[in-house]
Amino acid sequence: AQTVTQSQPEMSVQEAETVTLSCTYDTSESDYYLFWYKQPPSRQMILVIRQEAYKQQNATENRFSVNFQKAAKSFSLKISDSQLGDAAMYFCAYRSPNFGNEKLTFGTGTRLTIIP
Amino acid sequence: EAQVTQNPRYLITVTGKKLTVTCSQNMNHEYMSWYRQDPGLGLRQIYYSMNVEVTDKGDVPEGYKVSRKEKRNFPLILESPSPNQTSLYFCASTKTGRGNQPQHFGDGTRLSIL
Repeated sequence: AQTVTQSQPEMSVQEAETVTLSCTYDTSESDYYLFWYKQPPSRQMILVIRQEAYKQQNATENRFSVNFQKAAKSFSLKISDSQLGDAAMYFCAYRSPNFGNEKLTFGTGTRLTIIP
Repeated sequence: EAQVTQNPRYLITVTGKKLTVTCSQNMNHEYMSWYRQDPGLGLRQIYYSMNVEVTDKGDVPEGYKVSRKEKRNFPLILESPSPNQTSLYFCASTKTGRGNQPQHFGDGTRLSIL
């Protein structure tokens, strides 16, 4: 079974600075999908960014980018120019490519605080 | 607007009193799933459904039931709730077989079982 580990329960960053959230995972599959979700105080689960394992290029969405290291099984999220609205819980998630259960396996989350 | 709708958003109830959390999606998605979120544990899958009348257990199914009689609805049933089922619950849906497609989540249901 796959596991996802987020080793930083809490992080803080000064507004306008850059912060990196860590995520590692364990799998024996060669192809899979990785996601970062944001959960603000409203509790909504909002997709931030996604990465297909077969793509070597790191995904980027505006101020959000990932550093995907397949051999190391690492999938970190970098937030540039941090804004107050980025304050949230961030979850890393893994999804198997196998047809059937489209289950997301989540990490335990990192709570990000933005310091004005 | 594409959405997953859960009801209720909050519920406080007592041990043993049957309850149902409804979930409905308007995107014609085949796949639907329930997760529970607990501090320090992230989200864990309870049950999932690949299509109408096709359901299966996830990682933490004990004490829960589901049904999928219509494609759009996937209710979560707690027939005899207990305090250890106090949690934040999410329903999610997606199209089957497209792994890179995001799952759409409902806004969550906060359940407190006294």
